[in-house]
Amino acid sequence: GESVGLHLPTLSVQEGDNSIINCAYSNSASDYFIWYKQESGKGPQFIIDIRSNMDKRQGQRVTVLLNKTVKHLSLQIAATQPGDSAVYFCAENANYGQNFVFGPGTRLSVLP
Amino acid sequence: NAGVTQTPKFQVLKTGQSMTLQCAQDMNHEYMSWYRQDPGMGLRLIHYSVGAGITDQGEVPNGYNVSRSTTEDFPLRLLSAAPSQTSVYFCASSYGPKVGYTFGSGTRLTVV
Repeated sequence: GESVGLHLPTLSVQEGDNSIINCAYSNSASDYFIWYKQESGKGPQFIIDIRSNMDKRQGQRVTVLLNKTVKHLSLQIAATQPGDSAVYFCAENANYGQNFVFGPGTRLSVLP
Repeated sequence: NAGVTQTPKFQVLKTGQSMTLQCAQDMNHEYMSWYRQDPGMGLRLIHYSVGAGITDQGEVPNGYNVSRSTTEDFPLRLLSAAPSQTSVYFCASSYGPKVGYTFGSGTRLTVV
């Protein structure tokens, strides 16, 4: 289930199950979104992106869904593996250039 | 390709000291940015650059300076360190606007 920890919301899933990580973004003018994965002690790593002219985009084992009506983004990870344990961030961009606004992150914990 | 290289990885400063965090990329990326990461707050943009000789402020620029004399390098200077600047600092680069960043591995800075 999903719970709010001291600093980050945490999602715990069983290995092999599907994971859904949610993100509410703030700016209705945002037209480009990215999901990043951050493992402990490392920098964020690009997973997948989506532009506002799309509702869904699929990658390898990951799918991003965008609902502009309610300003909501989700990341679905199929058949979650132990290596998926990390903190996941969504980032939105509204301006021309690289002014990305990052969400606070969600910690995904994969249980054996 | 080394990607984005940040030095040092760890640093302890005394209040009032100055220092420069180094960032270099070997991908010929035009866009470079500095972020700080604090618990529960995601990543916040400090300064960014869209090319050599061009820099601009992000969300939290106070207490930091940047310059971009070459495409490869984007150093971040702390003018007079304060305990509030204790954080993990990430440098990132991309080849253009509205594309994913490549992040460095971070510099963990403690100001005492």
